[in-house]
Amino acid sequence: NAGVTQTPKFQVLKTGQSMTLQCAQDMNHNSMYWYRQDPGMGLRLIYYSASEGTTDKGEVPNGYNVSRLNKREFSLRLESAAPSQTSVYFCASTLRRTGGYYGYTFGSGTRLTVV
Amino acid sequence: AQSVSQHNHHVILSEAASLELGCNYSYGGTVNLFWYVQYPGQHLQLLLKYFSGDPLVKGIKGFEAEFIKSKFSFNLRKPSVQWSDTAEYFCAVTSYNTDKLIFGTGTRLQVFP
Repeated sequence: NAGVTQTPKFQVLKTGQSMTLQCAQDMNHNSMYWYRQDPGMGLRLIYYSASEGTTDKGEVPNGYNVSRLNKREFSLRLESAAPSQTSVYFCASTLRRTGGYYGYTFGSGTRLTVV
Repeated sequence: AQSVSQHNHHVILSEAASLELGCNYSYGGTVNLFWYVQYPGQHLQLLLKYFSGDPLVKGIKGFEAEFIKSKFSFNLRKPSVQWSDTAEYFCAVTSYNTDKLIFGTGTRLQVFP
C-alpha cells in the first residue's frame, strides 16, 4: 500500500546509546518531516527536508541529526540518547505544488523509550 | 515565526451535543490550514483542509471548519458529536513561504454516551 513507512515501531534504548529511525515514502513526495509527539505538547517539528539534498532545523532539533538519503528516504539519528528523548516519533511527507501543500501523509509512528 | 494556538485542551461532551474547537494562528501571509484527528493508539488522519476559496470547509465524518482571515482563526465544528468522535484533534498551518507544517498542542475530546 502506498504511504509512509517507519521502522522500527517500538524501541527501548539505554541512555547514551545511538540509533537511527528510518522513514520511506512511495508517493513521489518531495518534502519530508520528522516530528515528536509528547503529552500536552502536540507535535513538534524536529527537522524537515523540502527536497532531496536539503535539510533544515525545525522547532526542537537539539540532540538529533537527519539524512535525506534520496527522494524516498529520510532518516532521523539520535547520537547519544537521553531520557528527554522518550517520545513518539512521526515521519510525514507531502508534495509541494503551485498553490501550496496537499495531502500531508503521516507514518504510524515509532514509540521510543530511553531508560 | 509561525505558531498555532488551541485554547481548549480538554473538552468533555455528551453524545448529540454540538462541538466547536478553537484554533488561532500567527502568520500574516497566505496560509494553508488543516485539522487532523488522532484516535487512541493511531496515527494522524486528515479531517479537512483549507487552501483557498470558500472559507467554510467541509471534511469527513460531518466535521466542518471556518476560516476567518481577520481573526486568524480556523475553528472546527460538528453539530452533533458521537461517542466515536472521542480522540485528540490537532490544528496545523503551513504557508507558501515556508515548507514547515506547524501544529497546535491539540485538544482532547471525550464524548460520553
